[in-house]
Amino acid sequence: GAGVSQSPSNKVTEKGKDVELRCDPISGHTALYWYRQSLGQGLEFLIYFQGNSAPDKSGLPSDRFSAERTGGSVSTLTIQRTQQEDSAVYLCASSQGTGKAYEQYFGPGTRLTVT
Amino acid sequence: AQRVTQPEKLLSVFKGAPVELKCNYSYSGSPELFWYVQYSRQRLQLLLRHISRESIKGFTADLNKGETSFHLKKPFAQEEDSAMYYCALERFNKFYFGSGTKLNVKP
Repeated sequence: GAGVSQSPSNKVTEKGKDVELRCDPISGHTALYWYRQSLGQGLEFLIYFQGNSAPDKSGLPSDRFSAERTGGSVSTLTIQRTQQEDSAVYLCASSQGTGKAYEQYFGPGTRLTVT
Repeated sequence: AQRVTQPEKLLSVFKGAPVELKCNYSYSGSPELFWYVQYSRQRLQLLLRHISRESIKGFTADLNKGETSFHLKKPFAQEEDSAMYYCALERFNKFYFGSGTKLNVKP
């Protein structure tokens, strides 16, 4: 079946604008993760959703970042009032559950450039 | 705080040579560690995980709690092993990644 998909693949926006990044997980996967990868850095955990539980938002870097997951499937990461330091590749991953026992399947990422 | 360090940004070896990609972590509990790989123009994918004690594509990784390391090793590198490799630590359902090592296997 189809893997994790993300859209758009590339997004260029002006500083101060809001952006929405979308993630479609693998069907049936209850867990969904968002990561940010800045140039030359590792993946930085942002947020994860597990089933109907409240999301773990502990990695969101500021209140300009928010995410939601509708119907336990598609997720949207929103960045308000974008700043240049938000430029990065945003990766989404889904898995059958959370934690060490479950393999994460990654999407291709969205490359965000804030000018 | 959890931290994963991969000291080498780039590692170049010749085909057939042994390869070791270093990973050190800082975590006071019992860590769960992973190696992820990203081949050119492909997605990030799981290579192996500590809990499975597995060998994938000839790679192995041993957890050394005394040295807080989880180095990835392969006795004979192949050109198709050229990729970015990321070490990751899981704690409370969250994953912490190192900055990655680019492995270049020369013919």
